[in-house]
Amino acid sequence: NAGVTQTPKFQVLKTGQSMTLQCAQDMNHNSMYWYRQDPGMGLRLIYYSASEGTTDKGEVPNGYNVSRLNKREFSLRLESAAPSQTSVYFCASLPGPNSNQPQHFGDGTRLSIL
Amino acid sequence: KNEVEQSPQNLTAQEGEFITINCSYSVGISALHWLQQHPGGGIVSLFMLSSGKKKHGRLIATINIQEKHSSLHITASHPRDSAVYICAGIPSNYKLTFGKGTLLTVNP
Repeated sequence: NAGVTQTPKFQVLKTGQSMTLQCAQDMNHNSMYWYRQDPGMGLRLIYYSASEGTTDKGEVPNGYNVSRLNKREFSLRLESAAPSQTSVYFCASLPGPNSNQPQHFGDGTRLSIL
Repeated sequence: KNEVEQSPQNLTAQEGEFITINCSYSVGISALHWLQQHPGGGIVSLFMLSSGKKKHGRLIATINIQEKHSSLHITASHPRDSAVYICAGIPSNYKLTFGKGTLLTVNP
């Protein structure tokens, strides 16, 4: 099915470990996003990529890095995980500027840092 | 102060009631997004609108760009409508700003 695919769906890490969250979309969308969702905080933008080859910081970028590998894929890396990064992470995509199409979300990655 | 404010934060209704969730924003936007998230679930787009009104089944979304206000209405509510409803402002740079969500519980 067309859409946004995130892997893994669940992950438990120890403090200091690193990992990469993968995201791929097959809708030929230009813009891709990484969000975290915490109780009482709503969705917060970590990083986004308006188009292939560009990335920009969002509201809460500290402790994360991203790579827009190609038009389909946008990965999020935690270099040294901290308990404060325990959250649910969502990847999303949009066709891009000047589009009236909605944003599509992946199913989320539930990440726990011990 | 959050740039996108939703009200109420929590809403409990009886099956069949008419529901209204409000969203006010202070940022300049080109469109507004209404999203639905069931407990423990993913996020689904309901509407994206830049003017007027859109309807899909029992759901209606309206927006008044001049007043910077949008509403989501649910007619003949049903327990399966129980979810968190989120509005998001879409500015011209496509860096979305989200409200904190409205938790709707519809009791049978």
